[in-house]
Amino acid sequence: ETGVTQTPRHLVMGMTNKKSLKCEQHLGHNAMYWYKQSAKKPLELMFVYNFKEQTENNSVPSRFSPECPNSSHLFLHLHTLQPEDSALYLCASSQEGAGGPETQYFGPGTRLLVL
Amino acid sequence: SQQGEEDPQALSIQEGENATMNCSYKTSINNLQWYRQNSGRGLVHLILIRSNEREKHSGRLRVTLDTSKKSSSLLITASRAADTASYFCATPSGNTPLVFGKGTRLSVIA
Repeated sequence: ETGVTQTPRHLVMGMTNKKSLKCEQHLGHNAMYWYKQSAKKPLELMFVYNFKEQTENNSVPSRFSPECPNSSHLFLHLHTLQPEDSALYLCASSQEGAGGPETQYFGPGTRLLVL
Repeated sequence: SQQGEEDPQALSIQEGENATMNCSYKTSINNLQWYRQNSGRGLVHLILIRSNEREKHSGRLRVTLDTSKKSSSLLITASRAADTASYFCATPSGNTPLVFGKGTRLSVIA
């Protein structure tokens, strides 16, 4: 166990549904991340939160909406998704300082299928 | 933008053999990290090597970094079937904390 949990582990949703992915880290880290992993593509960074503030949004469509209520929890709200959004969604956390990017600890991921 | 690129894309070896994977990157870095991913699971951090380090060891893993060539290698010695996984290098790029390559898929055959 890495200290980062994600729920649900599997999710099937229709294009008109609204669902949320949840991530929780028990490591006391100050940064949290959402990544998307599709088949045969590199891991794509979606959102970064440092001290609960969003610091990066890599041109992610608005049908993905992140929320970080505190430094331990991160949500990804999904609505009106497309079939091409089917992927493994990974959450990670790290303790960032002035010395550059540190080790990221990943959750097990949520396997999402959009029908 | 893609920063690190692993080579080869896939590698198949017999148990007990050594496995070497390479990573090339484009811009200056302050550290480079290697991760492992079992099929459909989260990534697990293996080693972080800083730009002022040339080599680092962790158990059966050996990582080298050549900043003049902008390359790194990961060596797994005496491989086991349980080492079967995808291996990724990751480096900072611009404002992005870590950018991952497409990975090397390692198969260790018992």
